[in-house]
Amino acid sequence: KNEVEQSPQNLTAQEGEFITINCSYSVGISALHWLQQHPGGGIVSLFMLSSGKKKHGRLIATINIQEKHSSLHITASHPRDSAVYICAVFQGAQKLVFGQGTRLTINP
Amino acid sequence: GAVVSQHPSWVICKSGTSVKIECRSLDFQATTMFWYRQFPKQSLMLMATSNEGSKATYEQGVEKDKFLINHASLTLSTLTVTSAHPEDSSFYICSVTGVLRETQYFGPGTRLLVL
Repeated sequence: KNEVEQSPQNLTAQEGEFITINCSYSVGISALHWLQQHPGGGIVSLFMLSSGKKKHGRLIATINIQEKHSSLHITASHPRDSAVYICAVFQGAQKLVFGQGTRLTINP
Repeated sequence: GAVVSQHPSWVICKSGTSVKIECRSLDFQATTMFWYRQFPKQSLMLMATSNEGSKATYEQGVEKDKFLINHASLTLSTLTVTSAHPEDSSFYICSVTGVLRETQYFGPGTRLLVL
């Protein structure tokens, strides 16, 4: 069993839909990252959070430390949101452990 | 956030040659740099962690004599794939973090194809 599990692995939705991607982890962490990887490969850090909730534009990330669970939400989804979304947790001081990613496709 | 560049962005080489990939932190003092490898449709796998001026720490299963890492300054780290073979073909990504380790900033990646 992976230390970081994401669901779903693949998600296809229509433009405008509300999107939720889940991440569960089984190890103690100091913080959790949500990353976005576009088809070209480049990775952008969306959020780093260790408690509560963060919001940036149409993106919202929440984390429940007790339940070892985090969610990434996208409101009013758009085709340009199509990408692979990766959950990664900080184990120890620096090392990131990655989930397998969720491939999101938003159709116009 | 920090701007991280990688060079080259893609490289094709013959089997047996060595390839050097540069990772530069353009506006950020990168005390620690990470090198990752990503195979198609798989997630990133940490290869090694390097601190400026120190030897890199390699993850289990990563051959340090094959993947040479140099982190000579706070803005530059290099990964050299020595005697590359087709199975080394992959997407190599670096990331950097600072003293506060508040987040990691990722480079755009280097796609390596070994023929």
